[in-house]
Amino acid sequence: AQSVAQPEDQVNVAEGNPLTVKCTYSVSGNPYLFWYVQYPNRGLQFLLKYITGDNLVKGSYGFEAEFNKSQTSFHLKKPSALVSDSALYFCAVSDDYKLSFGAGTTVTVRA
Amino acid sequence: DAGVIQSPRHEVTEMGQEVTLRCKPISGHDYLFWYRQTMMRGLELLIYFNNNVPIDDSGMPEDRFSAKMPNASFSTLKIQPSEPRDSAVYFCASRIRTSGLGTDTQYFGPGTRLTVL
Repeated sequence: AQSVAQPEDQVNVAEGNPLTVKCTYSVSGNPYLFWYVQYPNRGLQFLLKYITGDNLVKGSYGFEAEFNKSQTSFHLKKPSALVSDSALYFCAVSDDYKLSFGAGTTVTVRA
Repeated sequence: DAGVIQSPRHEVTEMGQEVTLRCKPISGHDYLFWYRQTMMRGLELLIYFNNNVPIDDSGMPEDRFSAKMPNASFSTLKIQPSEPRDSAVYFCASRIRTSGLGTDTQYFGPGTRLTVL
């Protein structure tokens, strides 16, 4: 079975500082990895995905993610965090048609 | 595009009542998914459809839950009878098959927050 793990329940950073949200994966074949963000009382919004190719994937709202096969990681990053980035972030892995989500990481960016 | 549309956004009901949640996928999408989000269990896939046909309902928790997709633009998730432990946020998502397996993006609706008293 394919799965992802988000080792941190919460991440707190100051506005303007770099933001990293960690994700590790376990797959039996090719890893198809996704990041979604959920703002309060909203649905999940797609940020970016890794399918193949360049290990650095760029997505929406200035976010990027680095795929590392040797460490089986897919960490989400943003060079300079904004207060508006405060939200719940989910890493997910795709198994044919289904997405399996991590438990989520709550990001708080303080002004 | 209006995105995935769900209704109602909030539902409060009494235990034992029937609850129907509705979803309109993005036009042209051929897959539809129903998820449930709770604090204890996170995001769980309940069921998904391909071209209006249920493909995998192994995530449906009990026979009290049922889902239908009578056409490409509408799906329902019904709980009968409802119980307090069904309280959760229910999301609908859709996607279109454009490339290889597992690579296509799912797009989520805003969710329905269900409270069963």
